[in-house]
Amino acid sequence: DGGITQSPKYLFRKEGQNVTLSCEQNLNHDAMYWYRQDPGQGLRLIYYSQIVNDFQKGDIAEGYSVSREKKESFPLTVTSAQKNPTAFYLCASSIQDYNSPLHFGNGTRLTVT
Amino acid sequence: GQQVMQIPQYQHVQEGEDFTTYCNSSTTLSNIQWYKQRPGGHPVFLIQLVKSGEVKKQKRLTFQFGEAKKNSSLHITATQTTDVGTYFCAGAGSARQLTFGSGTQLTVLP
Repeated sequence: DGGITQSPKYLFRKEGQNVTLSCEQNLNHDAMYWYRQDPGQGLRLIYYSQIVNDFQKGDIAEGYSVSREKKESFPLTVTSAQKNPTAFYLCASSIQDYNSPLHFGNGTRLTVT
Repeated sequence: GQQVMQIPQYQHVQEGEDFTTYCNSSTTLSNIQWYKQRPGGHPVFLIQLVKSGEVKKQKRLTFQFGEAKKNSSLHITATQTTDVGTYFCAGAGSARQLTFGSGTQLTVLP
């Protein structure tokens, strides 16, 4: 079955540590995205990539970094510079760009203490 | 920048009652998409509207896109407990990205 795999489902880190969230897709989609979801809020775009080796900042990119070395993979690193990293992180992909429907992974719930 | 406002934030209905959620964009949209997120789950795509004044139906769900392509609504007729979840609209426009509304959390009381 084609889909998006995010791992792990739950992640716990100490403040000051960098942490990398994994996202892999086998849908052969060109575009991939990272969103952050906080309770009672909508999804906010962190980074997106429309092609391998290229990515753009979204609305809340500060304190995050990404890479897109392979079409299938779009890992997100939450750095120690991110002031409020505890959140639900969702990875998504679409066939072409933001005009195409998004397919989401199951998400990673990150808790930083 | 582009903003998408969605109301209400919460809605509790008795099973069998109707439900409507509304989205308004600060700018004209090229298209609007709707997603449903079940409790503890991830958003799932429902539908995309592209044309001015477009109306689409999926069983008990009716989606509308305004004439000015700045607002949209989702109406559910005769809600069921399976409709429970948070409904998000997401608009694509001048920002060249998809901007999500804050969502409407629907609770259906049996």
